[in-house]
Amino acid sequence: DVKVTQSSRYLVKRTGEKVFLECVQDMDHENMFWYRQDPGLGLRLIYFSYDVKMKEKGDIPEGYSVSREKKERFSLILESASTNQTSMYLCASSLWTGNNEKLFFGSGTQLSVL
Amino acid sequence: LAKTTQPISMDSYEGQEVNITCSHNNIATNDYITWYQQFPSQGPRFIIQGYKTKVTNEVASLFIPADRKSSTLSLPRVSLSDTAVYYCLVGAYYNQGGKLIFGQGTELSVKP
Repeated sequence: DVKVTQSSRYLVKRTGEKVFLECVQDMDHENMFWYRQDPGLGLRLIYFSYDVKMKEKGDIPEGYSVSREKKERFSLILESASTNQTSMYLCASSLWTGNNEKLFFGSGTQLSVL
Repeated sequence: LAKTTQPISMDSYEGQEVNITCSHNNIATNDYITWYQQFPSQGPRFIIQGYKTKVTNEVASLFIPADRKSSTLSLPRVSLSDTAVYYCLVGAYYNQGGKLIFGQGTELSVKP
């Protein structure tokens, strides 16, 4: 069965801390994504990656960076956490077969920045 | 980018059939339509995907008219456990410039 694993289910950090959110997929997918989800705003794309060491900005990349050193792992980095980055963070990977695509999501990391 | 419009919320009762319609007027020729389900505090999960006419699996059916400007997710005989948010997505990573955009989704509430 396909699996996307996020390293933490809940995380509490202080303002100004550097935060790492890790995501690992075991499906050999090329594409990986980071979304954040806030009440009333739905899912918003932060960054995505279509290959090792490749990354592209999504709709809300400010305050975030990413790293993809290995195909199975995609990390989201908050260089200096702020309270407005308190959110649910969702990682996904996708299987691309022609024109259709299916996203597989992790269970999410609820991050609180105090 | 293909933009989608869905109802914000819907109510239903156990045992009823629920139909959720998604509008996607600027769907491209190669775009597939994909629906996801999300329970509270979980990531979305794939339900069904189609290109035209009708697709059915063990969970739902997807109806797509000939012009493909809308699609309808049909959930037969819903139960309380179908209470969730349902998202309609159009397109795929490569033909959306890498951006798979989720709309607001439809919050389905199933009552006893």
